Amino acid sequence: GAGVSQSPSNKVTEKGKDVELRCDPISGHTALYWYRQSLGQGLEFLIYFQGNSAPDKSGLPSDRFSAERTGGSVSTLTIQRTQQEDSAVYLCASSPQGALAGELFFGEGSRLTVL
Amino acid sequence: KQEVTQIPAALSVPEGENLVLNCSFTDSAIYNLQWFRQDPGKGLTSLLLIQSSQREQTSGRLNASLDKSSGRSTLYIAASQPGDSATYLCAVGGLTGTASKLTFGTGTRLQVTL
Repeated sequence: GAGVSQSPSNKVTEKGKDVELRCDPISGHTALYWYRQSLGQGLEFLIYFQGNSAPDKSGLPSDRFSAERTGGSVSTLTIQRTQQEDSAVYLCASSPQGALAGELFFGEGSRLTVL
Repeated sequence: KQEVTQIPAALSVPEGENLVLNCSFTDSAIYNLQWFRQDPGKGLTSLLLIQSSQREQTSGRLNASLDKSSGRSTLYIAASQPGDSATYLCAVGGLTGTASKLTFGTGTRLQVTL
């Protein structure tokens, strides 16, 4: 597709379950970012990929959070043993280069609700 | 640590008015600054990107300015329309430390009334 695609768009899960969120960046974009937006809060940086490596994962809130990127394309954000405070919209963005050079293009997000 | 502040948090104006949204940042060592629009329940749409060497960028009825030394940016919207109603976010790309990511403000929620 032409834009950043995220799935699922909505996910409701029970506390303690694992969830996987997927991001398909714009074709050819080497940089990929995950952000989290909680109700009434600003966007919180989670992790940045350049190709398949993650030079900056400083925003991951705990070791329950992990992310990978394969083939320089699709990325998966995994949250293990979900907690209610994990409820948020998880946004993915891609850029033709790193943040030093290019614009970020965002997907529409995956809304996670942990009951 | 870079901090980005947007004022006002919310703004309501009648259709046709010109308006200014403000963004300030604490660390002037930035690489670029980007303005986004977010509609309810949607992702972010990039509006304007200003490189640190630039003073302003224009797109249609939108004009964004950057004063890096004072840590400020403004987004000017001319002849506002109800379709402009959305949350506007300012984001700063750092040079060091935060060079790999944008730091976002919490946004200004704009409502343009008929």
